[in-house]
Amino acid sequence: QVTLKESGPVLVKPTETLTLTCTVSGFSLSNARMGVSWIRQPPGKALEWLAHIFSNDEKSYSTSLKSRLTISKDTSKSQVVLTMTNMDPVDTATYYCARRAFSPIKWSYYYYMDVWGKGTTVTVSS
Amino acid sequence: DIQMTQSPSSLSASVGDRVTITCRASQSISSYLNWYQQKPGKAPKLLIYAASSLQSGVPSRFSGSGSGTDFTLTISSLQPEDFATYYCQQSYSTPRITFGQGTRLEIK
Repeated sequence: QVTLKESGPVLVKPTETLTLTCTVSGFSLSNARMGVSWIRQPPGKALEWLAHIFSNDEKSYSTSLKSRLTISKDTSKSQVVLTMTNMDPVDTATYYCARRAFSPIKWSYYYYMDVWGKGTTVTVSS
Repeated sequence: DIQMTQSPSSLSASVGDRVTITCRASQSISSYLNWYQQKPGKAPKLLIYAASSLQSGVPSRFSGSGSGTDFTLTISSLQPEDFATYYCQQSYSTPRITFGQGTRLEIK
């Protein structure tokens, strides 16, 4: 059974750095073509993709947040870590990690987020 | 970034109704479109991938169609457990994915 579980602080102060950990089980972070993304959702709002790490350790970041984000992984611990610097109250959200999986259809690969963690709620307030 | 626009933003319907939700991409994304269902306080759940492929375990009353810029999610006969918020998501520019703003499906 594939599971992902987010962990991290519930409350951070403005200007602080947030560190979130996603612990996965049921698959390896070294599986080719798979990877893990971080996605957030402010209260009552839509989902926003933040960052992704590939099995080969390549990384990709949201254009608007790139300067504040760092994603990394420890394959031996089955963990993906996201750090976000200079936190602001607008960063208050539920943060999810999700596995990117794929299906080959005809001559293409189709990617989707097939398993999500339950999310961790982070409030930014002094 | 590719922008995804859903309509309507909210919808009221009754159990047994047929419901259609529309998603439009700001550029052609072929069939690289996924649909998710989210219930309050829960993580999103994958329903449809590649515009029309049903994820394993998802009831067959859910279906997806479309390609290019226009897509639809149809629920053929609403069940009580289907009242939720639905999101489309483009995977054309994966891993730089983007989501629609969501469609909230409420009980009439």
